[in-house]
This record gives sequence, C-alpha cells and structure tokens, in this order.
Amino acid sequence: KAGVTQTPRYLIKTRGQQVTLSCSPISGHRSVSWYQQTPGQGLQFLFEYFSETQRNKGNFPGRFSGRQFSNSRSEMNVSTLELGDSALYLCASSLGYRNEQFFGPGTRLTVL
Amino acid sequence: KNEVEQSPQNLTAQEGEFITINCSYSVGISALHWLQQHPGGGIVSLFMLSSGKKKHGRLIATINIQEKHSSLHITASHPRDSAVYICAVSGGSGGSNYKLTFGKGTLLTVNP
Repeated sequence: KAGVTQTPRYLIKTRGQQVTLSCSPISGHRSVSWYQQTPGQGLQFLFEYFSETQRNKGNFPGRFSGRQFSNSRSEMNVSTLELGDSALYLCASSLGYRNEQFFGPGTRLTVL
Repeated sequence: KNEVEQSPQNLTAQEGEFITINCSYSVGISALHWLQQHPGGGIVSLFMLSSGKKKHGRLIATINIQEKHSSLHITASHPRDSAVYICAVSGGSGGSNYKLTFGKGTLLTVNP
C-alpha cells in the first residue's frame, strides 16, 4: 500500500509570490491534516479536511488556505508569501480522528 | 488551549541503555500520540493511546489520564533509535479531536 505522498518535495519562492502544495493520502483515508514545522515554533496544526470539508483550522492567517478533492487528495495554498513562511509543510492522512495519522515526507518551502 | 511539555529536551545515551521520555499536558484529551522524526524530516507515528499501556518491539508507551502524563520507554537502545521524539495530544476539553497540539520534542542520541 503506497504511503502518503507530497509534491513538490522542495520549493524556493520569493516574497509576495503564492505557492500550492499537494498531498495524496493513503488509499481509503478520507482525513487529511496539514502541519507547519519551523525551528522556532515547532510543529503547528494548519487545518484538517474530511470528505472535502474543512473541519478545523489552526491559528494561521487567511493567507493559508486549503481544499480537498473528491478523491481525498488535498492542496494547501499560501498567498503573498513572507520570509517567515519558510518551513517544512507536512500532511498526514488517517481513516478518521480516532485513528493514527500517517505522515508524508513533507515539502520544504524556502522563501527568499 | 492545551499545553504540552516534554522532558528532557535532549538526551544522550549509550547503546543498550533503558530510555524514558516524559510528556505532560494541561487539560483533558481524547488521545495522545508519540511520533518519531529522523533527520531530513520524515515523521512516523509510533503510538496512539488514550489509556493504559502499549508495546511495540522495544518501545513501550504508557499514559496516566488522571495525572495527565505519558512516558515513552525504549529498552535496549540502539544508535538507529537516534531521532527526535514528539508527543502530541488531541481532543478532550483541550480542543478539537481533529487538531494535534505538539510538544517541542526530545532529541535522542544513542552512541555505540
């Protein structure tokens, strides 16, 4: 069974640009969560989707958005990039909130 | 908001030693997760537990709901156990079931 995949793995952008990251969950998993990891703040929850609906959102500005498609694949978008958005972005999938999460390898975003 | 504290922040051990990493949280939860992150970023879910004790190979996780405390034990440690171990909690009175709140992690180094 294939694991969680994330594309691209590495990304370099400049301030003011926007970026879209993609996550393909494990087959059969309908819940996809997104996390941001930085050296200063550690791991922080961004949002979680289940069956194309956002069920919860973390404390991030509106520049961070996401969506989930009918095949459970998910994308997150960051608009008007800032230097502080440089981070490792991880997605995780699960069958539901009572189940363990399986993490993807992450997308490392660098904003110059 | 749930506060998750881990100790120690850094731990160095000799191969074969018994290791304990602790995690405490401030409000009730529905589940506690132990995660392992190797250099390069990949995160693996080790345990998800809401009560009692779980064992997988040389790893044991325990949780005391009344004391709001969990421990991760590694028996007969090996250099390949070197990684960052992260405690995360979800649900209960501390927040949504869908949202993980993370500790800052414990960096474990096991020397041969």
